[in-house]
Amino acid sequence: SQTIHQWPATLVQPVGSPLSLECTVEGTSNPNLYWYRQAAGRGLQLLFYSVGIGQISSEVPQNLSASRPQDRQFILSSKKLLLSDSGFYLCAWSAFGTGRDSPLHFGNGTRLTVT
Amino acid sequence: GNSVTQMEGPVTLSEEAFLTINCTYTATGYPSLFWYVQYPGEGLQLLLKATKADDKGSNKGFEATYRKETTSFHLEKGSVQVSDSAVYFCALSDRGGSNYKLTFGKGTLLTVNP
Repeated sequence: SQTIHQWPATLVQPVGSPLSLECTVEGTSNPNLYWYRQAAGRGLQLLFYSVGIGQISSEVPQNLSASRPQDRQFILSSKKLLLSDSGFYLCAWSAFGTGRDSPLHFGNGTRLTVT
Repeated sequence: GNSVTQMEGPVTLSEEAFLTINCTYTATGYPSLFWYVQYPGEGLQLLLKATKADDKGSNKGFEATYRKETTSFHLEKGSVQVSDSAVYFCALSDRGGSNYKLTFGKGTLLTVNP
């Protein structure tokens, strides 16, 4: 069966420090991968998605970047965190090539607090 | 563009009460529709889905019917339990560029009291 791992679960970082959140998927090949941010009262915002190694699409301009160095690994990074980067970050995957019917499978999220 | 509007919460019910959470959407194409549930401190889990007009998705006593004429996908449950307390998200999947993307509503917090 497929599983998705996301870490760390919680993180407190000072303003201006770097960030690296990691997500890995097991039990499937060539998944579509996603990073979402959930802010209170604002629902889920799609930040990045990837359909293959090295292929990253950014949905909104921001202080963050994403990379996919391996097929089932997706990394969210920042060189210098801002207070506005605080939030709940969710990694997700969907099966490749299954179209609009394919649901997303989410990790348990990372609660990031920038102080 | 695509958008999802769901009723604002929080919604507070007593155990065994009837639940309705309204969801309407706008889409440029012919989307699939989903309800996700998020329990405290966790990620989202798929609750149910419907892929074409008049389809009914169901799971764990929850139901939602894809109504193309009213662009709606309201979530219902006949008798809620304390364990149903969670945030519920309505979402649609439609083509965006070279990939299908999910657009989410803002979520509705449901609290069920014993």
